[in-house]
Amino acid sequence: GQNIDQPTEMTATEGAIVQINCTYQTSGFNGLFWYQQHAGEAPTFLSYNVLDGLEEKGRFSSFLSRSKGYSYLLLKELQMKDSASYLCAVRGNQGGKLIFGQGTELSVKP
Amino acid sequence: GAGVSQSPSNKVTEKGKDVELRCDPISGHTALYWYRQSLGQGLEFLIYFQGNSAPDKSGLPSDRFSAERTGGSVSTLTIQRTQQEDSAVYLCASSPDFVSYEQYFGPGTRLTVT
Repeated sequence: GQNIDQPTEMTATEGAIVQINCTYQTSGFNGLFWYQQHAGEAPTFLSYNVLDGLEEKGRFSSFLSRSKGYSYLLLKELQMKDSASYLCAVRGNQGGKLIFGQGTELSVKP
Repeated sequence: GAGVSQSPSNKVTEKGKDVELRCDPISGHTALYWYRQSLGQGLEFLIYFQGNSAPDKSGLPSDRFSAERTGGSVSTLTIQRTQQEDSAVYLCASSPDFVSYEQYFGPGTRLTVT
């Protein structure tokens, strides 16, 4: 079967760093994705990892370990606007469709 | 440029009625995906189209659900004999092709079955 796990919710303080973990078990692997979704809005693309290691993009970084079936999204210098749901998704070996985790609801407090 | 658009934005229907949801992908994008998101849940894959290839229907939850894509552009998701458990936000996404890693999502259609 296919399974993607991430924490349901997290809380962090403005200006701090937060790490959102994602573990996956899928039939085939062809990339791991992180999307951000504000309440009532469409998901927007944050990052893509297909090789092991860290991808950095401004305040956001994403890490992948394929052997461990593990990824994390690191958010630095948290801002109030970072309060959102963060979705981890995996593309398997069946075309472009994504299998999503349930999402992690991040609340940033002052 | 224009993003992915979906209509209607909200739809309330009575149990047992049929509904049609529309998606207009970004012009030139050959891959189109349908997902649904129930309250507090992640996105659930439904179906995807890539060019002229046969669609991947592996995520459709029952034979009440069907989708078509006319002329390689606009797509319609049809739900027949709606049930209360069909209530969800239905999201459409498109990408230049199926290997492109970024999918661009539309704003979704919120379906409520009463």
